Amino acid sequence: DIQMTQSPSTLSAFVGDTVTITCRASQSISTWLAWFQQKPGKAPKVLISKASNLKSGVPSRFSGSGSGTEFTLTISSLQPDDFATYYCQQYNSYSGTFGQGTKLEI
Amino acid sequence: QVQLIQSGAEVKKPGSSVRVSCEASGDAFSTYIITWVRQAPGQGLEWMGGIIPIFNTANYAQNFQGRVTIIADESTKTAYMELSSLRSEDTAVYFCARGGITGPPDSWGQGTLVTVSS
Repeated sequence: DIQMTQSPSTLSAFVGDTVTITCRASQSISTWLAWFQQKPGKAPKVLISKASNLKSGVPSRFSGSGSGTEFTLTISSLQPDDFATYYCQQYNSYSGTFGQGTKLEI
Repeated sequence: QVQLIQSGAEVKKPGSSVRVSCEASGDAFSTYIITWVRQAPGQGLEWMGGIIPIFNTANYAQNFQGRVTIIADESTKTAYMELSSLRSEDTAVYFCARGGITGPPDSWGQGTLVTVSS
């Protein structure tokens, strides 16, 4: 299985800040990478697919980049609603390893 | 837009098996990937496996090979995940999710809590 390594595991920030989360794949996954947001007690919500394609309805302050083995999620001008846990996921054929998650704290 | 409705919470003894269902309503089923993901208390998301109902062939994570079976019934638009030889570490919320063949899972069920306890 492809391994996904996400960092940092915890990130503290202020409202209005810009933050970046990194995800590394153990082998090339082209751009088959998604980013999810999860809030306590809820199912994950996909924010970005194909490494950089923002899903409909997701605010433009979220952006993704990368290809191959290195990917980033950037959230600019943090809003109170953005404080949650974020996961990357590689989806290749129909396998789908997740990163360990990044908890974004106020 | 699809809705995925999962079966209710389960309490199981160690060594037993559990079967969780996931019924799709409102949209297509057979040509999408149905994925199963679990989340232990306070832990991250763990991909277990997936199936494309029209092909009826499942793919499983190495961690679960031999213990998990995923099937799909096109006639009822329902997918099932069965996990055997349960141990306490299998206590988790189990999610089903649907995604396109070339996309991530973008519609999720509400989750099913499985508790393994003697």
